[in-house]
Amino acid sequence: GAGVSQSPRYKVAKRGQDVALRCDPISGHVSLFWYQQALGQGPEFLTYFQNEAQLDKSGLPSDRFFAERPEGSVSTLKIQRTQQEDSAVYLCASGLQGLYEQYFGPGTRLTVT
Amino acid sequence: GNSVTQMEGPVTLSEEAFLTINCTYTATGYPSLFWYVQYPGEGLQLLLKATKADDKGSNKGFEATYRKETTSFHLEKGSVQVSDSAVYFCARGREGGATNKLIFGTGTLLAVQP
Repeated sequence: GAGVSQSPRYKVAKRGQDVALRCDPISGHVSLFWYQQALGQGPEFLTYFQNEAQLDKSGLPSDRFFAERPEGSVSTLKIQRTQQEDSAVYLCASGLQGLYEQYFGPGTRLTVT
Repeated sequence: GNSVTQMEGPVTLSEEAFLTINCTYTATGYPSLFWYVQYPGEGLQLLLKATKADDKGSNKGFEATYRKETTSFHLEKGSVQVSDSAVYFCARGREGGATNKLIFGTGTLLAVQP
């Protein structure tokens, strides 16, 4: 079966541009997570959805970051007015409700120049 | 605070050598613990997990035991192969609350030489 997919795989943005990163979770997975992974670091939690409801956005670093999952399936992470410190790999993960196991996508590597 | 600390890499071993990657966590309770692996050019994959104290997770010859006394979850393998070369991440689940988010360590690069 298909795993979690993310697009684009690589994105280069000029400072100040807006970007949108897409995540297609595994079909039927209720939970969806976004993580940010800086170079040489472990992933850090950004936000969590249960179906279409965003239940936790405590990890979003600023109000320039916005995530949505309007129909409880595909999710988009949007970063407005990108800054150099936003350069990282953005990981999406999905899972079944109530279980800790999360299935990760390949990530989108964002480089802000 | 709640965090995960794992040994820094890179760890370089010869094929068939014994592997240990240390991981300790801080928590007020007993969170689930995980090891994830990231092979070159691939996404994170769950390697093994343990959901309560004294549980042993195992997969592909790797093992880790949930030790509440030492708040540790060290990863071990008796005989590594070149194909085990990857970055290994220790992680813990969050206690309580609605979010099953994971808190990761910084990762340990393992390089196995033939």
